[in-house]
Amino acid sequence: DQQVKQNSPSLSVQEGRISILNCDYTNSMFDYFLWYKKYPAEGPTFLISISSIKDKNEDGRFTVFLNKSAKHLSLHIVPSQPGDSAVYFCAASAGGSNYKLTFGKGTLLTVNP
Amino acid sequence: DTGVSQDPRHKITKRGQNVTFRCDPISEHNRLYWYRQTLGQGPEFLTYFQNEAQLEKSRLLSDRFSAERPKGSFSTLEIQRTEQGDSAMYLCASSLSLGFSYNEQFFGPGTRLTVL
Repeated sequence: DQQVKQNSPSLSVQEGRISILNCDYTNSMFDYFLWYKKYPAEGPTFLISISSIKDKNEDGRFTVFLNKSAKHLSLHIVPSQPGDSAVYFCAASAGGSNYKLTFGKGTLLTVNP
Repeated sequence: DTGVSQDPRHKITKRGQNVTFRCDPISEHNRLYWYRQTLGQGPEFLTYFQNEAQLEKSRLLSDRFSAERPKGSFSTLEIQRTEQGDSAMYLCASSLSLGFSYNEQFFGPGTRLTVL
């Protein structure tokens, strides 16, 4: 069963606009969430994370929102740039041990100039 | 470059052959992880080490797979008697984890395995 779900395989936005990538999870034990960006032929690159004691974390153009009651998180990128075009993975870990990340299938973001 | 490195980047082998991959983590990181990624999927956890101790193995890691991390530095992942279903990207990651603190994992570029 897919414990972390990214239901949109792809998303296309215009440069300068907001990109919103969504992620849902089913395991209530998850308490730490991360977003990674991946370019072809490279490993995932860490972007931003949030623990379950927070509902928002911001780092420059990237903001992650966590809604624990809905088991939903989202990544906002403002403003979007063509260099943001990549596959974005949502990941989660449980119990504070942080040794096993469970990933979604990813969303391909395309930012058009 | 002080990131996670993996070698080789690509490996093509024939079914039934053994292959070995190497991962060099970020030098001060005490935890090392192996993941596997197939087409259209996110990375899937295989195993992890705390220093030199292998503390968990996924059920995805069959008896044909073995991983080591001698002296708590680099790690190797060996696949014996490869099968076509082993074709995937094998990713290594490392982190500096102290107690129950939250720490992100940093990934290497991966080794792409193709089994013919």
